[in-house]
Amino acid sequence: EPEVTQTPSHQVTQMGQEVILRCVPISNHLYFYWYRQILGQKVEFLVSFYNNEISEKSEIFDDQFSVERPDGSNFTLKIRSTKLEDSAMYFCASSDSRGNNYGYTFGSGTRLTVV
Amino acid sequence: GEDVEQSLFLSVREGDSSVINCTYTDSSSTYLYWYKQEPGAGLQLLTYIFSNMDMKQDQRLTVLLNKKDKHLSLRIADTQTGDSAIYFCAESRLSGNKLVFGAGTILRVKS
Repeated sequence: EPEVTQTPSHQVTQMGQEVILRCVPISNHLYFYWYRQILGQKVEFLVSFYNNEISEKSEIFDDQFSVERPDGSNFTLKIRSTKLEDSAMYFCASSDSRGNNYGYTFGSGTRLTVV
Repeated sequence: GEDVEQSLFLSVREGDSSVINCTYTDSSSTYLYWYKQEPGAGLQLLTYIFSNMDMKQDQRLTVLLNKKDKHLSLRIADTQTGDSAIYFCAESRLSGNKLVFGAGTILRVKS
């Protein structure tokens, strides 16, 4: 069964450093997403991406964050200057429709720890 | 506005049925989903229901939707220890493509 692959599974970074979280969506999917889950809290939408541009973003997705599809397979989330409160599990997802038929396929997540 | 609420914890005995409840506020929700998250793992789609349906059954899983009350439930028949996980309710709207999640219900199955 096709999978969404995320790397690394766990990243520890110092406050103020830049991090790039990587995702390989399912190959024939067209819509890509990032969500995050702070420990013990809800899974929150960050951003959706389609046709090489952001289609929707949440209030959380401020200027510190950016997304990119640098080639035909990867989809990355960059956090420019990490803060302690960025510590969370970050999930990538992809879908081949606007997610309204059968949901998305999520990756296993990257646990980001900012120290 | 968008909000999805779930009870935080449910404990059942192995072999019993589990019922996990969810309420949502957005009347334009078109799809409602149940996801399962095991420790350290990602979000696994269990089942979904379209808003014009009121019931969907898939093996041990039964989803009931009361659109008038904006209430969704997931029933797991013959609950097994392997069903222990966090269960998330989520909704999506026709006009958007993001999922709005509840906080998750921790299901603990006692043998």
